[in-house]
Amino acid sequence: NAGVTQTPKFQVLKTGQSMTLQCAQDMNHEYMSWYRQDPGMGLRLIHYSVGAGITDQGEVPNGYNVSRSTTEDFPLRLLSAAPSQTSVYFCASSFPGYGYTFGSGTRLTVV
Amino acid sequence: AQSVTQLDSQVPVFEEAPVELRCNYSSSVSVYLFWYVQYPNQGLQLLLKYLSGSTLVESINGFEAEFNKSQTSFHLRKPSVHISDTAEYFCAVSDKNDYKLSFGAGTTVTVRA
Repeated sequence: NAGVTQTPKFQVLKTGQSMTLQCAQDMNHEYMSWYRQDPGMGLRLIHYSVGAGITDQGEVPNGYNVSRSTTEDFPLRLLSAAPSQTSVYFCASSFPGYGYTFGSGTRLTVV
Repeated sequence: AQSVTQLDSQVPVFEEAPVELRCNYSSSVSVYLFWYVQYPNQGLQLLLKYLSGSTLVESINGFEAEFNKSQTSFHLRKPSVHISDTAEYFCAVSDKNDYKLSFGAGTTVTVRA
């Protein structure tokens, strides 16, 4: 089925470890983004991309890196995990004005 | 950047009663407006959207929202809720010339029998 695929669904990291959250879409959407969801705060934009080779920072970029080498893939890297990065992470893609298609999320716990 | 305010964080409601979820945004420029729903332990699903044209938009499961430009609001309503409507609802806004979507903090709707 067409959509946005995120892996893994769950992850536990120790403080200081690094990891990559994977995101892939098969709808040929130009725009992709990463959000984190924390209770009472809605979704906050981490990084986004308007096309292959183009990325930019959102509201809360510190501690995260992204790259966009292809239209389909937009991985999010945690460089040195901290407990404050415990959250649910969502990847989304879209054409402008059509609303986002979201992945099912990655629940990350940093201990 | 847009600012989105959802005025109610929790809305308890009895089955078959009406519900209204309030959303206000900050921008004075042309915008696209969205409501998303998130069922427990799931991702976000688009419920309905306003892009242009009629200010009243409807979803397939009985929700409707009205765009009010003068009040910069996009309130969501349903005349009769079901237990299955229990979820968190997010209002979101983007400028028409921008991909980025700004979200409100969410409203948790709990429907009781």
